[in-house]
Amino acid sequence: DAKTTQPTSMDCAEGRAANLPCNHSTISGNEYVYWYRQIHSQGPQYIIHGLKNNETNEMASLIITEDRKSSTLILPHATLRDTAVYYCIVRVAAGDDKIIFGKGTRLHILP
Amino acid sequence: DTGVSQNPRHKITKRGQNVTFRCDPISEHNRLYWYRQTLGQGPEFLTYFQNEAQLEKSRLLSDRFSAERPKGSFSTLEIQRTEQGDSAMYLCASSLGGLSNEQFFGPGTRLTVL
Repeated sequence: DAKTTQPTSMDCAEGRAANLPCNHSTISGNEYVYWYRQIHSQGPQYIIHGLKNNETNEMASLIITEDRKSSTLILPHATLRDTAVYYCIVRVAAGDDKIIFGKGTRLHILP
Repeated sequence: DTGVSQNPRHKITKRGQNVTFRCDPISEHNRLYWYRQTLGQGPEFLTYFQNEAQLEKSRLLSDRFSAERPKGSFSTLEIQRTEQGDSAMYLCASSLGGLSNEQFFGPGTRLTVL
């Protein structure tokens, strides 16, 4: 079973920040938080990952709470192309582990 | 385009037929993964290769399924005696390993079993 809990769906207006929450209350000390997204009819795409510090890259920001039991993915200026299913995953970074996906959050960007 | 390619992109077959899918990973990636995705669900892990060695297989991978990566480069996934329940998107991913271990996914092969 997936180790994360995400809302089933969310809406966000184009141009606004999209904030996608994820709960991972059973995360272990050596597990990272990863985010992937899957645009319709495509394979999943890596977005960002982090251990305990906040992370930012050209796609998104990841905010992890101090107790590491939850996190938020932030898309700062959402566009219609960001409409996708977003998966929050916890896994050991350097292991050989497969990715265990949940059902993710279906994000709709509204024009 | 992630650099991972899969062929064919779509396959329609009749129940009982055998099908084979191919995955070409990013050339320097030594790890290759197969996943299956049904409608409305996240991808489910099937199997994983480190170079040519198949290191892990999910219980989802019944004896009708076989995967190979003979030279540690491309991989094939064969399904024998297909059943309607095999209809799904079959995804391949590759990674370099190490601290990031980010997996790059191909576009998938959509299988429809009639």
